[in-house]
Amino acid sequence: DSGVTQTPKHLITATGQRVTLRCSPRSGDLSVYWYQQSLDQGLQFLIQYYNGEERAKGNILERFSAQQFPDLHSELNLSSLELGDSALYFCASSPTGQSTEAFFGQGTRLTVV
Amino acid sequence: SQQGEEDPQALSIQEGENATMNCSYKTSINNLQWYRQNSGRGLVHLILIRSNEREKHSGRLRVTLDTSKKSSSLLITASRAADTASYFCATDAGSSYKLIFGSGTRLLVRP
Repeated sequence: DSGVTQTPKHLITATGQRVTLRCSPRSGDLSVYWYQQSLDQGLQFLIQYYNGEERAKGNILERFSAQQFPDLHSELNLSSLELGDSALYFCASSPTGQSTEAFFGQGTRLTVV
Repeated sequence: SQQGEEDPQALSIQEGENATMNCSYKTSINNLQWYRQNSGRGLVHLILIRSNEREKHSGRLRVTLDTSKKSSSLLITASRAADTASYFCATDAGSSYKLIFGSGTRLLVRP
């Protein structure tokens, strides 16, 4: 158990809908990363937050947004969903804002139908 | 695009043999990490090597880093069926805070 909690574990939704994925980092970790993993794209970095502020941005679509709250949990919002958004979405946390060992949650499997 | 690319994409070996996976990256780095992922599950950190280190060991794992060639290798000695997983390298892409993963090597260890 990494100490990172992601909910829900599975999510099935229709095209055009909006969903929210939630991540609780390990106790004491200030940094949260979001990744998308699909079969044809590998593990894609989406965005990183550190202590409530956006720190780095990857290939995150405009339809996607994220935030980190004062209690350090984070949410990833995906809107106007398309079939191609079906993927595993991982959250990871680390103690600092710089790249050190990252601890991954078990992921949310999103299926868009 | 990915910062790191692993080679080979897939590797099948017999239990007891050694497995070597390679990772190449594009930009300067502060450190390079290796992670393991069992099918459909979260990634687990294996080892971190800093840019000023050339080799590091952890149990049956040996990692080398050649910054002049922008490459790293992960050696798993005396492999076990339980080592079957995908292995990813990850770099911090230099001065940014991003942690960027390669495309991964799928390792199958046959009993």
